[in-house]
Amino acid sequence: SQQGEEDPQALSIQEGENATMNCSYKTSINNLQWYRQNSGRGLVHLILIRSNEREKHSGRLRVTLDTSKKSSSLLITASRAADTASYFCATDAGAGAGSYQLTFGKGTKLSVIP
Amino acid sequence: DVKVTQSSRYLVKRTGEKVFLECVQDMDHENMFWYRQDPGLGLRLIYFSYDVKMKEKGDIPEGYSVSREKKERFSLILESASTNQTSMYLCASRKRQGRVGDYGYTFGSGTRLTVV
Repeated sequence: SQQGEEDPQALSIQEGENATMNCSYKTSINNLQWYRQNSGRGLVHLILIRSNEREKHSGRLRVTLDTSKKSSSLLITASRAADTASYFCATDAGAGAGSYQLTFGKGTKLSVIP
Repeated sequence: DVKVTQSSRYLVKRTGEKVFLECVQDMDHENMFWYRQDPGLGLRLIYFSYDVKMKEKGDIPEGYSVSREKKERFSLILESASTNQTSMYLCASRKRQGRVGDYGYTFGSGTRLTVV
């Protein structure tokens, strides 16, 4: 079952600009994760933010989490052509039923134009 | 470099064939997962395994089965392939969740299966 919903579905920007993608979810979570997928390949884990965290950084990535609004955002600063990919958020519901699995959204397709 | 290896990148099979998709990880991870990915539908969980010889149904298990006889290997089996099983299949693994750790998945490169 889908829980995360990314917005927008597609985003096109110029190299050097910042890219922001949003994710909304429906139920309580233990953590939320972002993944990148290059065309036709597997997903690569980017960053994980726990439910008691509000912001996290990793290189040019910045993730925020607002559990009261059940939403997260991924910011990629100073984008590069190599950032062109699909980006997925995934939620981990934590202990209890389904705790072993992540639930993925449908992704945002980012195009960075050189 | 730690990784998840899927045996085939591309596979073409005929309707009715029994199909085996193999996945091997070298990270000593307890949890392993099989997803399929289709345009407009995102990733959907087929089966997962939280330890050797253990398996649990995901959201769309119909038409599939799995086998986990060894910790490093998780096989997905299409008992009788049908055209609606044409898809990208993704295997992933993860260290068992602990009190102090939350872990991301490590994915394989995917197998694009076409059933004709």
